Amino acid sequence: DGGITQSPKYLFRKEGQNVTLSCEQNLNHDAMYWYRQDPGQGLRLIYYSQIVNDFQKGDIAEGYSVSREKKESFPLTVTSAQKNPTAFYLCASSVGGGSGQPQHFGDGTRLSIL
Amino acid sequence: SQKIEQNSEALNIQEGKTATLTCNYTNYSPAYLQWYRQDPGRGPVFLLLIRENEKEKRKERLKVTFDTTLKQSLFHVTASQPADSATYLCALDNTNAGKSTFGDGTTLTVKP
Repeated sequence: DGGITQSPKYLFRKEGQNVTLSCEQNLNHDAMYWYRQDPGQGLRLIYYSQIVNDFQKGDIAEGYSVSREKKESFPLTVTSAQKNPTAFYLCASSVGGGSGQPQHFGDGTRLSIL
Repeated sequence: SQKIEQNSEALNIQEGKTATLTCNYTNYSPAYLQWYRQDPGRGPVFLLLIRENEKEKRKERLKVTFDTTLKQSLFHVTASQPADSATYLCALDNTNAGKSTFGDGTTLTVKP
């Protein structure tokens, strides 16, 4: 079955620690996205990538970093500079990076602070 | 400033009735508008996309309208069922933006 796999499902971070969230897709999609969702709120865009080896900042990129070395993979690192990292993180992909492209989502990673 | 507003409160309806959810926006000129369903602890699932030059789109018991003059989209679930209970998100795509902007969602509860 084609889809998006996010791992781990739950992640705990200690103060001052960087953590990396994994996102893998086997849909052969060009574009990939990372969102943050806080309780009772919608999705806020962190980073997006329309093609391999290229990515752009979203609305809340500070304290986060990404890489896009392979088409199927788009890992997100939550750095120690992100002072309020506790949230539900969602990865998505779409066929292309243009407008009007439905996004396919993974089932998220829930990050908490120890 | 740009803003997307969905129903400010949760929507509770009786099974069999039609649920109507709203998505209003300001300072956007979306070429496309999308609706997603999200269940607790899961990622959103795409439901429908409507273009700026389309007035209405249907899929089974779902209907979406898009009024660019009123800057509003309505999402209807007809003959609602308890299984339709979820949070519904609207998302706007500006032309050539390469990304979507999501509303905060409306939680729909359908009671048997």
